Amino acid sequence: SYELTQPPSVSVSPGQTARITCSGDALPKEHAYWYQQKPGQAPVLVIYKDSERPSGIPERFSGSSSGTIVTLTISGVQAEDEADYYCQSADTSGTYPVVFGGGTKLTVL
Amino acid sequence: EVQLVESGGGLVQPGGSLRLSCAASGFTFSNYWMHWVRQGPGKGLVWVSRINRDGTRTTYADSVKGRFTISRDNAKNTLYLQLNSLRVEDTAVYYCARDFGTTDNWFDSWGQGTLVTVSS
Repeated sequence: SYELTQPPSVSVSPGQTARITCSGDALPKEHAYWYQQKPGQAPVLVIYKDSERPSGIPERFSGSSSGTIVTLTISGVQAEDEADYYCQSADTSGTYPVVFGGGTKLTVL
Repeated sequence: EVQLVESGGGLVQPGGSLRLSCAASGFTFSNYWMHWVRQGPGKGLVWVSRINRDGTRTTYADSVKGRFTISRDNAKNTLYLQLNSLRVEDTAVYYCARDFGTTDNWFDSWGQGTLVTVSS
């Protein structure tokens, strides 16, 4: 099976920069997507195609890619950004068209 | 406004069956691939299944292959997931999601989810 690996948790103080990584062997060839999920709510897309931001998502959310690692960066973190974040991609063979990382809990101290 | 509304969840015994529905509105349903994603209690997101625009192609996660069936009725703007031979480990919130990708799969809209509890 194909896996995407995320750190279980990241903690930052308000106003600081949070970086959440996601690693996977196919990431050099496949795009990555990021979703934010707050308790009791459905996921919300915050980054698509590695670094594109959907309309309505604050500019403090950005994405980048380098080799087998993609990174979600939240600049000037606000209390409302506290949530679980999931990366999503696919393997190159098409056997696993949708794979999610295990999720990262962002805590705003 | 894009809306996806799931229904059909509930409590079922191991070995039982359920049919989930996802009613879509606010967009041309037949133009999009659709997916089901689930989330066990306190767990992460797990992809379950997908279906193409006209319902002729389906794909499943290994964990549900042979037990779950995805389908759609474009005339009714509704996506379905038939869950058979349910196991305790199938307990989860089930989300339907719209696929906005062209060459790959990603989700720009999600429903609020419907809870399936498998327990004796």
